[in-house]
Amino acid sequence: AQRVTQPEKLLSVFKGAPVELKCNYSYSGSPELFWYVQYSRQRLQLLLRHISRESIKGFTADLNKGETSFHLKKPFAQEEDSAMYYCASYDKIIFGKGTRLHILP
Amino acid sequence: DTGVSQNPRHKITKRGQNVTFRCDPISEHNRLYWYRQTLGQGPEFLTYFQNEAQLEKSRLLSDRFSAERPKGSFSTLEIQRTEQGDSAMYLCASSRGTGSVIGSGANVLTFGAGSRLTVL
Repeated sequence: AQRVTQPEKLLSVFKGAPVELKCNYSYSGSPELFWYVQYSRQRLQLLLRHISRESIKGFTADLNKGETSFHLKKPFAQEEDSAMYYCASYDKIIFGKGTRLHILP
Repeated sequence: DTGVSQNPRHKITKRGQNVTFRCDPISEHNRLYWYRQTLGQGPEFLTYFQNEAQLEKSRLLSDRFSAERPKGSFSTLEIQRTEQGDSAMYLCASSRGTGSVIGSGANVLTFGAGSRLTVL
């Protein structure tokens, strides 16, 4: 069965420190993977998707098929990065349980 | 078009009553999804439509839940004989969903603000 796992419920990081939010998936085909973000009192929105290999707000994520991972990274955390982050995989679009990122001043 | 619209935003009801939520997707989007989200959890897939066809339903969707998208535009999610365990945020999202070509952006979801259900 398709599954997305985010092992950390909460990640606290000091401003300026590197960030890595973990995501592992199980999917039998070629996955399409996404990271969605929800800022306080805002709607869930797309942050980035693996196929575009883009950097959004300084975040990147690389698909590692060998490790079935799609970790989200940012070299220098900013206070405005505090939010809930959800990893998701196509095809029904299944979400992980989310990681709350808290940036400490 | 102002994105995905959900109504009502908040519904408080007594146990045993029926409730209905409406979702208006982005007009050119073919796919429409319903999710349920409870505190501390990610969105849980309930069902999705390709145009008016309901393609899949989660086992979470008991027979008290029914969803429709009669003309391939707006959708309704009805919960009959509500229970306290139904209290949650019900999220609707839409996507272009034209086929399953990876990388086309067709599977990027645009979410509504959600409809919060409180069952007393």
